[in-house]
Amino acid sequence: DTEVTQTPKHLVMGMTNKKSLKCEQHMGHRAMYWYKQKAKKPPELMFVYSYEKLSINESVPSRFSPECPNSSLLNLHLHALQPEDSALYLCASSTRRDTEAFFGQGTRLTVV
Amino acid sequence: GQQLNQSPQSMFIQEGEDVSMNCTSSSIFNTWLWYKQDPGEGPVLLIALYKAGELTSNGRLTAQFGITRKDSFLNISASIPSDVGIYFCAGPPRGGSQGNLIFGKGTKLSVKP
Repeated sequence: DTEVTQTPKHLVMGMTNKKSLKCEQHMGHRAMYWYKQKAKKPPELMFVYSYEKLSINESVPSRFSPECPNSSLLNLHLHALQPEDSALYLCASSTRRDTEAFFGQGTRLTVV
Repeated sequence: GQQLNQSPQSMFIQEGEDVSMNCTSSSIFNTWLWYKQDPGEGPVLLIALYKAGELTSNGRLTAQFGITRKDSFLNISASIPSDVGIYFCAGPPRGGSQGNLIFGKGTKLSVKP
């Protein structure tokens, strides 16, 4: 089972709203990631969690706040976003040494 | 930083034709990954390559890890309409943690029935 589940699939939020994106995997992977993908562009890394600890933050603005409650769950809390933050947000996971990452289906976020 | 140059940028082919696309870098990669992405969906892993010279197949797909470690190609044989999508090569940058991937810009494949 190579499934990473993301909710919601679509989200529209205002610039003053607070919302959260959720990601879950049950493959026993100990590394989880958030990627951002703009239209017609490749995914770009935002955050990496390894063994539930934040190991990489690719200079992401503080209006994006990741959280890893346990080894199966990953959240991305959103607050005071801008319209340019509208994108497809992808969650992924991988095993300890393998670099092959498995992606969820993404959350299409629109900021109005 | 390390970059992956993927070509062609787009392809328009007839159903049944074979397809070839490649990915090159000025730097050495120890792993090459090929993903396919459908519109509005997440990338799906097609093939993973870990050894220079490795040739791996997945159904009608075949990928090879270049001997120089600086390139990889993906072939699709006897294309069908469901092969439509964007194909990305990806790999971990030198010194990156597991799963910290950089992606090529993608090859958009269109298949005419």
